[in-house]
Amino acid sequence: EDKVVQSPLSLVVHEGDTVTLNCSYEVTNFRSLLWYKQEKKAPTFLFMLTSSGIEKKSGRLSSILDKKELFSILNITATQTGDSAIYLCAVVSDNYGQNFVFGPGTRLSVLP
Amino acid sequence: DADVTQTPRNRITKTGKRIMLECSQTKGHDRMYWYRQDPGLGLRLIYYSFDVKDINKGEISDGYSVSRQAQAKFSLSLESAIPNQTALYFCATGQGHYYEQFFGPGTRLTVL
Repeated sequence: EDKVVQSPLSLVVHEGDTVTLNCSYEVTNFRSLLWYKQEKKAPTFLFMLTSSGIEKKSGRLSSILDKKELFSILNITATQTGDSAIYLCAVVSDNYGQNFVFGPGTRLSVLP
Repeated sequence: DADVTQTPRNRITKTGKRIMLECSQTKGHDRMYWYRQDPGLGLRLIYYSFDVKDINKGEISDGYSVSRQAQAKFSLSLESAIPNQTALYFCATGQGHYYEQFFGPGTRLTVL
């Protein structure tokens, strides 16, 4: 059974801190790993990773994938209160035909 | 206007009732998905459709059915609602071989 695990499940930091969110996976046939940010309701897309060792970066957020060890990390530097959200990791596996397996999410709270 | 819309946004119903959740999109995407989200479990795939004539079961399809009335419309039905179907339901769209998904605002369903 395909599985995606995220850690920690919950994290509280202060503005200016740097955080690292983890996502590990076990899937039958890995295609891609995606990170989403969920604030109020709908998840919004952050990154898609398909190759090991290539960092994706957007502002203060960055992510990298290790396909040998089957994990990805999402880094957020100089955190702001607006970074408070649930961060979801999803893996695309063709076990069902290009569907998505989501992890439980990491709830990040950034205090002023 | 939002690219992916869901109706209703909130619904309270009783055990045994038939419920339909609707999703419409103006993005012109061929792929549409229904997920449910429960605290601590992340998003789980209920059904997905790659075009109007293609419907596939996801991880947790029991107790649900879907209809793809047109490329832009994908409805989810609960034939006889039960309390453990209380959850936040998301519709999402995607295009071709691109893995990024675009989510609707969600429907919060409560089954009493």
